[in-house]
Amino acid sequence: SQTIHQWPATLVQPVGSPLSLECTVEGTSNPNLYWYRQAAGRGLQLLFYSVGIGQISSEVPQNLSASRPQDRQFILSSKKLLLSDSGFYLCACPYSGTALNTEAFFGQGTRLTVV
Amino acid sequence: AQSVAQPEDQVNVAEGNPLTVKCTYSVSGNPYLFWYVQYPNRGLQFLLKYITGDNLVKGSYGFEAEFNKSQTSFHLKKPSALVSDSALYFCAVRAPFAGNMLTFGGGTRLMVKP
Repeated sequence: SQTIHQWPATLVQPVGSPLSLECTVEGTSNPNLYWYRQAAGRGLQLLFYSVGIGQISSEVPQNLSASRPQDRQFILSSKKLLLSDSGFYLCACPYSGTALNTEAFFGQGTRLTVV
Repeated sequence: AQSVAQPEDQVNVAEGNPLTVKCTYSVSGNPYLFWYVQYPNRGLQFLLKYITGDNLVKGSYGFEAEFNKSQTSFHLKKPSALVSDSALYFCAVRAPFAGNMLTFGGGTRLMVKP
């Protein structure tokens, strides 16, 4: 079965500092991968998705970027963090890689606090 | 574009009573619908899904959901609530186009009181 690893679990960063969150997937190949952000314990906002190496689609224009350097690696970055970047960041992958009718697995998330 | 609405920010029920968490959706074509649960500072856990077939779908931890095409709803239900069911619940729909991403509702906090 698939496993999603996210790190770090928690992060406190000052405003203006860079960010790098990493997500890796085991147990599947060529999966679709997604970054979501959850603010204040409420709804999830899709930030980026990737259907393959080097392929990134952005859903919301913002201070963040994403990259997919390897098949099972998805990175969320920022050059300069803003206070509004605080939130809970979740990486996700469909159960069978790409299929429409399968559920998605989620990583355990990264709690980012920008101070 | 697809969308999901969860009209209640919070649902309060007494332990042992039945619970319902509401969800309505809007999507072009056949809907692929999902329910997830989230405990504090954790990722989302899959509960159940509707793809096709029987309108009543059974999932994990005794939860079930009823798909109603005419009302475009997919309400989550459980016959007898437990205090341990207290969590944040998300309804989601999958878009049948590039990326196949999940679109989530805003979430409903379920509080089960002893």
